[in-house]
Amino acid sequence: GAGVSQSPRYKVAKRGQDVALRCDPISGHVSLFWYQQALGQGPEFLTYFQNEAQLDKSGLPSDRFFAERPEGSVSTLKIQRTQQEDSAVYLCASSLGHLAGFNEQFFGPGTRLTVL
Amino acid sequence: AQSVTQLGSHVSVSEGALVLLRCNYSSSVPPYLFWYVQYPNQGLQLLLKYTSAATLVKGINGFEAEFKKSETSFHLTKPSAHMSDAAEYFCAVSDRQAGTALIFGKGTTLSVSS
Repeated sequence: GAGVSQSPRYKVAKRGQDVALRCDPISGHVSLFWYQQALGQGPEFLTYFQNEAQLDKSGLPSDRFFAERPEGSVSTLKIQRTQQEDSAVYLCASSLGHLAGFNEQFFGPGTRLTVL
Repeated sequence: AQSVTQLGSHVSVSEGALVLLRCNYSSSVPPYLFWYVQYPNQGLQLLLKYTSAATLVKGINGFEAEFKKSETSFHLTKPSAHMSDAAEYFCAVSDRQAGTALIFGKGTTLSVSS
């Protein structure tokens, strides 16, 4: 079956522009996660949804970052007024349930954002 | 706060040699532990995970890892490296009580030479 898909795969933005990154999770997966992976680093948690409810946004680095999942399926991560430090790969993952120990998180290929 | 440390950002082995990638966790209560592999331009793929059953966990592609509470370690091994094993490997943890998010280490790049 289809895995997690993300679009666009690559995005170049000028500093100050707004960007929107899309994630299509595996059908039926209740939980959806966003992670940020800086160059040479491991992924870092940004935010988590259970269906349409955003239950944890503790990892969002600033109020310029906003995520939504209005119908409990597709999710969008929006970054306003992009800065160079936002350059990273943004990974989306989905799982059947919320506990990581019992529900494998399936990752998409990521969106590589470059802010010039 | 939980954290995970991967010793060695880059490991090089010859084809057929033993692969050993090191991971140590920091937590007062043993967390759930995971190893993921990332190939270029692909998403992370779960290799194996430790929850609370056997301390020696077998995963895909011939990899295995042993949970050692006394050493707070979860090292990944494979007896014989293949060229196709060359990739980035990440160790991760999640809280045993209510863990949803994964906390990743910085990763180890495995190179395999012929």
